[in-house]
Amino acid sequence: NAGVTQTPKFQVLKTGQSMTLQCAQDMNHNSMYWYRQDPGMGLRLIYYSASEGTTDKGEVPNGYNVSRLNKREFSLRLESAAPSQTSVYFCASSARTGEDEQFFGPGTRLTVL
Amino acid sequence: AQSVTQPDIHITVSEGASLELRCNYSYGATPYLFWYVQSPGQGLQLLLKYFSGDTLVQGIKGFEAEFKRSQSSFNLRKPSVHWSDAAEYFCAVGVGDDKIIFGKGTRLHILP
Repeated sequence: NAGVTQTPKFQVLKTGQSMTLQCAQDMNHNSMYWYRQDPGMGLRLIYYSASEGTTDKGEVPNGYNVSRLNKREFSLRLESAAPSQTSVYFCASSARTGEDEQFFGPGTRLTVL
Repeated sequence: AQSVTQPDIHITVSEGASLELRCNYSYGATPYLFWYVQSPGQGLQLLLKYFSGDTLVQGIKGFEAEFKRSQSSFNLRKPSVHWSDAAEYFCAVGVGDDKIIFGKGTRLHILP
């Protein structure tokens, strides 16, 4: 039982490059989330998926896209990376939105040069 | 609008001393309240949560928190901190069917 897994752990991109962050959970959770964490800003929600087949914008969605591939997997795509997207990205899952504990992955540290 | 405020960015306490981390929220209905801890280089781990019932909630690692509706607060406490408690602590509010809003965090430093 791995919980929430994220790949890659580290990534360096050049401005304008694209990449996809992968997230998978094995807890049969309905809801999945993508956050970014920046110093002094706490966690800010980028996108979330309350159930398979649905996605919604969070607080800071600009420059990102997501795909809820199936119940287990929720990917985050940066189409044209910018230095402002340098951050640590966390994926999380919960049984239900807003009510249940969220389980977090170990994070992806992304640097955009 | 819903919000979570953690007024202290950094707190330093001596090992063995008591600890209280403050959290205030703004939400129109009865909230779901959480405290998470993040050790360096790690993801977040749930310490405790409040949904309803007893307003004093016990969590893991000897932590507790008290929900005070009149003060819109959910402060985290520990009677005696250990060096391993040094971490960043996040208060969060569940806003119904929507999502969880996190505070900006309080970094706890422990003096030997």
